[in-house]
Amino acid sequence: GDSVTQMEGPVTLSEEAFLTINCTYTATGYPSLFWYVQYPGEGLQLLLKATKADDKGSNKGFEATYRKETTSFHLEKGSVQVSDSAVYFCALGNAGNNRKLIWGLGTSLAVNP
Amino acid sequence: EAQVTQNPRYLITVTGKKLTVTCSQNMNHEYMSWYRQDPGLGLRQIYYSMNVEVTDKGDVPEGYKVSRKEKRNFPLILESPSPNQTSLYFCASSLFEGSGTEAFFGQGTRLTVV
Repeated sequence: GDSVTQMEGPVTLSEEAFLTINCTYTATGYPSLFWYVQYPGEGLQLLLKATKADDKGSNKGFEATYRKETTSFHLEKGSVQVSDSAVYFCALGNAGNNRKLIWGLGTSLAVNP
Repeated sequence: EAQVTQNPRYLITVTGKKLTVTCSQNMNHEYMSWYRQDPGLGLRQIYYSMNVEVTDKGDVPEGYKVSRKEKRNFPLILESPSPNQTSLYFCASSLFEGSGTEAFFGQGTRLTVV
């Protein structure tokens, strides 16, 4: 079945460092890919998404490109801030899954001043 | 404002005492689901509903019940809670159109069963 694998955390960075969180997937058909973010004490919220190969999703300085050839959707940000400290989840949506989202386990990011 | 509202945010209860966690959305979404989040296990789907009176089991349905009598509400019922149901619970909703739609989450309910 469909699955998502994302890099384990926690990830600790200094402010203004470059961030990459790896996400790879296996799926049949043409899934959509998502990154969700969970700030401390809050629910998850959509950070960005891509619905077809070679699409780039972007939001709040974060970017991820849907790479079908490498089945990847890595999250990047050029310069992280303390306020980016959160847990990041990669997810896959496939119409054949009864609308169910397939989730990675989450990567905790801590950014130090 | 588009939102999913869960109540309560925090709950401590004793083993065996029935409880209900409410979930309501104001976006007219057809699809709603419940997740539990546990350290090292990520998000696991408990139940989902594709529309009124249509519910189905997710990955970890044992010990839980749901109902969908109205489109906006999707309560989670624990008939006889046990300590292994101590967890962080999230309700989510989304439009029923393809696979690229955004899921909106509630703030979460932290449940402790003693």
